[in-house]
Amino acid sequence: EAQVTQNPRYLITVTGKKLTVTCSQNMNHEYMSWYRQDPGLGLRQIYYSMNVEVTDKGDVPEGYKVSRKEKRNFPLILESPSPNQTSLYFCASSPNRGGAVGTDTQYFGPGTRLTVL
Amino acid sequence: KQEVTQIPAALSVPEGENLVLNCSFTDSAIYNLQWFRQDPGKGLTSLLLIQSSQREQTSGRLNASLDKSSGRSTLYIAASQPGDSATYLCAVPNDYKLSFGAGTTVTVRA
Repeated sequence: EAQVTQNPRYLITVTGKKLTVTCSQNMNHEYMSWYRQDPGLGLRQIYYSMNVEVTDKGDVPEGYKVSRKEKRNFPLILESPSPNQTSLYFCASSPNRGGAVGTDTQYFGPGTRLTVL
Repeated sequence: KQEVTQIPAALSVPEGENLVLNCSFTDSAIYNLQWFRQDPGKGLTSLLLIQSSQREQTSGRLNASLDKSSGRSTLYIAASQPGDSATYLCAVPNDYKLSFGAGTTVTVRA
């Protein structure tokens, strides 16, 4: 089954304790992205990747890191989480045919609810 | 800068009534527009993707129209059911991301 998976689905942690949220897709998609969703602010992009070893900042990258060493995986790293990073996080992927991100359906993972105390 | 607006923010209808959800966007130079469904605290499920060259797209009880020149899309859900209760989001590609509306939260009363 074609899907985007995220782990963990739920995480409660404390300020300053490094964590990684994994994202994996089995559709051989080139493009992957991370969003966070907050009440009143909607969905905002954190980072995106156009292909292996190619990543770039989205609208709200502060406090986050990403890597793209393999096509299928795009982990989100919080080196020193803070309470303002409490949010619902989504990973997304799409084929990126022709180099244009906008031409294809984007597929979203089930979300990771993160609470930072 | 692309801005996406969805009105109304919330909608409550009795079962069986048709739903009309609106989405507007400021920059008409879009590749496509995508409609998503989100259940509380859950992920986004893609419902329909309308390419910029299309005027509408249908899937079962769902029909979405697109008018690029006026910067509008409408999602119609026919004969609503309680299981249609969810938040519906529209999104358009914008640089290397999707720009989302804030969503319309739909409640279908049995």
